[in-house]
Order: sequence, then structure tokens, then C-alpha cells
Amino acid sequence: SQQGEEDPQALSIQEGENATMNCSYKTSINNLQWYRQNSGRGLVHLILIRSNEREKHSGRLRVTLDTSKKSSSLLITASRAADTASYFCATDHDYKLSFGAGTTVTVRA
Amino acid sequence: EADIYQTPRYLVIGTGKKITLECSQTMGHDKMYWYQQDPGMELHLIHYSYGVNSTEKGDLSSESTVSRIRTEHFPLTLESARPSHTSQYLCASSESRGSLGTGELFFGEGSRLTVL
Repeated sequence: SQQGEEDPQALSIQEGENATMNCSYKTSINNLQWYRQNSGRGLVHLILIRSNEREKHSGRLRVTLDTSKKSSSLLITASRAADTASYFCATDHDYKLSFGAGTTVTVRA
Repeated sequence: EADIYQTPRYLVIGTGKKITLECSQTMGHDKMYWYQQDPGMELHLIHYSYGVNSTEKGDLSSESTVSRIRTEHFPLTLESARPSHTSQYLCASSESRGSLGTGELFFGEGSRLTVL
């Protein structure tokens, strides 16, 4: 199937540190998106990177995309307690989004 | 805040009951989706719609059915619920972007279903 796979499954960091998570996928994509989910809630869109882009920034977020390796990374800089959540990558193939199982990030105060 | 609403947020029912999960959006989006999510697991696309009177099955086989009679409304129905249907169901919508691919999905808060 097309879904992305996030790595690591879980990440625990101190407030102020950076958090990096990776996503690998299997076939060609139109774009790749990252979402955040707080416990028991719906997903919130963070950033979209097109297949012809290599890097994109949004506030404290930086996303990279390497289509030759079929992988993406999400970097959250200067993390805060409010960044505690699960983060999902989603790949757009055939005009549908497929999601992985996510990375659970815990930011310790 | 996304203008997409799901009801009920929580539902506990007995086996064999018929249930309908409601999803409405006020953004005028043509595309709507239902995903199923178990705790700590990936989201699985179970149904989607590209507009009124359009419904398609997703990647994960589901015994549920959907309808799209109005642009803003995309309900999901289980005719006879079973314990295996216990899960979180997430509704989402997005704009049509033609050849640009799928844009940002706006999600509802989810409906957590427990079948006893």
C-alpha cells in the first residue's frame, strides 16, 4: 500500500530541544503532508510539500523531501510542552491521502 | 478552527444496533472522506466522495455505507454494529485542486464508537 511509515514510533525530549521525525513511502507522490493530532482529537494540517520541492519552512517547522530516497523529515525547533502530540505524514497518490501510524512526541518541561 | 463537525463524539451501543455517524462541513468543499483509526495505529481510508451523488470505497474494506446527497453532509451508517467495529472514525474534507493533487484536509474531532 502507499502509506508512509514514520520513524521513530515515539520520541521524548526536553523543552527547548529540537525534535526530528522521518517518513518513508513506497511509490511516486503528488505531494507529502504532515499533520498533528492531540490525544483524542482530530488531525490538524501542519505543512504540505510538493514533489518538486526539497525543503519548506513554516514557523518552527522545517520539512525536507527527498523523492529519490522516497523519504521526508519533519523538524520542530525549540520545542514547547504544547508540541506534545502525535505527528503523521500523509502521502498523496492517486488523489487520495494515505497516513502512517505516526510518531508520538512528548516534550518534558 | 475547521468548520467541520462530527456527531456524536462518543457512542456506546450494543451488538446488532444500527448507527449513523454524522459529518457536516460549511466550507463548500467538494471532497469528503471517512478514515478509521485504532489507538496508536495508522489511519485507514474507508470511504470518500468527490461531490454530490459520488461515493467510493477506500483502501480498507468496511461494512459501513455512506451517502452524499448534499455537498455539506456525508453520513456513515452501520446497519448492524459488531464489537469489531469499535474504533475512532474521523471525517475530513478538502477543496478540489484538479491536477495539483490533494490539498489540505480539514478534520472533524472524531466519533469514538464502542460496540459491546
